[in-house]
Amino acid sequence: DTGVSQDPRHKITKRGQNVTFRCDPISEHNRLYWYRQTLGQGPEFLTYFQNEAQLEKSRLLSNRFSAERPKGSFSTLEIQRTEQGDSAMYLCASSRRGGAFTTNEKLFFGSGTQLSVL
Amino acid sequence: QKEVEQNSGPLSVPEGAIASLNCTYSDRVSQSFFWYRQYSGKSPELIMSIYSNGDKEDGRFTAQLNKASQYVSLLIRDSQPSDSATYLCAVSGSGNTGKLIFGQGTTLQVKP
Repeated sequence: DTGVSQDPRHKITKRGQNVTFRCDPISEHNRLYWYRQTLGQGPEFLTYFQNEAQLEKSRLLSNRFSAERPKGSFSTLEIQRTEQGDSAMYLCASSRRGGAFTTNEKLFFGSGTQLSVL
Repeated sequence: QKEVEQNSGPLSVPEGAIASLNCTYSDRVSQSFFWYRQYSGKSPELIMSIYSNGDKEDGRFTAQLNKASQYVSLLIRDSQPSDSATYLCAVSGSGNTGKLIFGQGTTLQVKP
């Protein structure tokens, strides 16, 4: 197991185009998170899945953003009609929900996808 | 008020010194606290977790938690130039989601 994998590592797109990112979590992890990070800021929560169910979505998230995790394994994050303000590092993280003791969950991050919108 | 606050720094310490990084949080029900290290252009790497009041030591790192004061800190002993990075404090969100709320990070510079 090589950890959380994200693809692509870098994406340059023109404003108005759609982009899609992929995340493959650690295999035994049932929770998957998407975060966004801009320069000088900490990661900002976007959404999370437990297995295939999307259980929470940030209120700050535009409806141009959509995420899926169809079989409870890998996940995709799509941004439609990209804007320059979408330029950021998109981070995926995964964790394993361990029964009632969720306080001991630890999130492990992938290498991220750096998006540049021109 | 931000949910998790850190001084953005930079915090500069000489090699071999103790670096002290601080974090405060606003949600009293938070139960899990983490420190991540992030090198420039890389993703966050988990280095410490702490769940109960007091100190937790792991090698050169010590995490300290005071829930009454809503305060978390990270001490790095015998700081090395390779410790130069941004240190992110993360706090569990409400509910059993496992979601973490991050501070903006403190940049540490260790000078040889």
